[in-house]
Amino acid sequence: EAQVTQNPRYLITVTGKKLTVTCSQNMNHEYMSWYRQDPGLGLRQIYYSMNVEVTDKGDVPEGYKVSRKEKRNFPLILESPSPNQTSLYFCASSLSGVNSYNEQFFGPGTRLTVL
Amino acid sequence: GQQLNQSPQSMFIQEGEDVSMNCTSSSIFNTWLWYKQDPGEGPVLLIALYKAGELTSNGRLTAQFGITRKDSFLNISASIPSDVGIYFCAGDSSYSNDYKLSFGAGTTVTVRA
Repeated sequence: EAQVTQNPRYLITVTGKKLTVTCSQNMNHEYMSWYRQDPGLGLRQIYYSMNVEVTDKGDVPEGYKVSRKEKRNFPLILESPSPNQTSLYFCASSLSGVNSYNEQFFGPGTRLTVL
Repeated sequence: GQQLNQSPQSMFIQEGEDVSMNCTSSSIFNTWLWYKQDPGEGPVLLIALYKAGELTSNGRLTAQFGITRKDSFLNISASIPSDVGIYFCAGDSSYSNDYKLSFGAGTTVTVRA
């Protein structure tokens, strides 16, 4: 089954404790992206990657890191989480052709709470 | 990313009703998309529009790419209970060289009791 998987689905942590949220896709997609969803703000893009070893900042990259060492994986790293990073996070993937990167497949989400 | 204004923020539907929502931008977009998010899940693409004036249907859903390229509309005909969820518009600006997709804040659709 074609899908984007995220782990963990739920995470409660404390301020300053480094964490990684994994994302993996099995559709051989070049483009991958991370979003956060907050009430009243919709989805805001954190980072995206057009292909292996190519990453770029989205609209809200502060406090986050990503890496793209393999095509299928795009982990999101919070080196020192803070309470304002409490949110619902989504990973997405798509083909990278003209217009194709807009037609994204989303994972099920990771609900993160930072105390 | 570009600022997208989506309205209404929320709406109540009664089974069988036609409903509509819209999205506007202060800048020109070359792509408009509509996604739906069911409770507890990630968004799913409903309709993608790539040409000004384009009108595209997907079952009971119809979306239009505005002629000015600064707006888009989504209509749902003959609502059914499974239409509840959050509908997001998304767009890609013509003049940016990035590959970023901007999303509206969403329209939450709830069934009226």
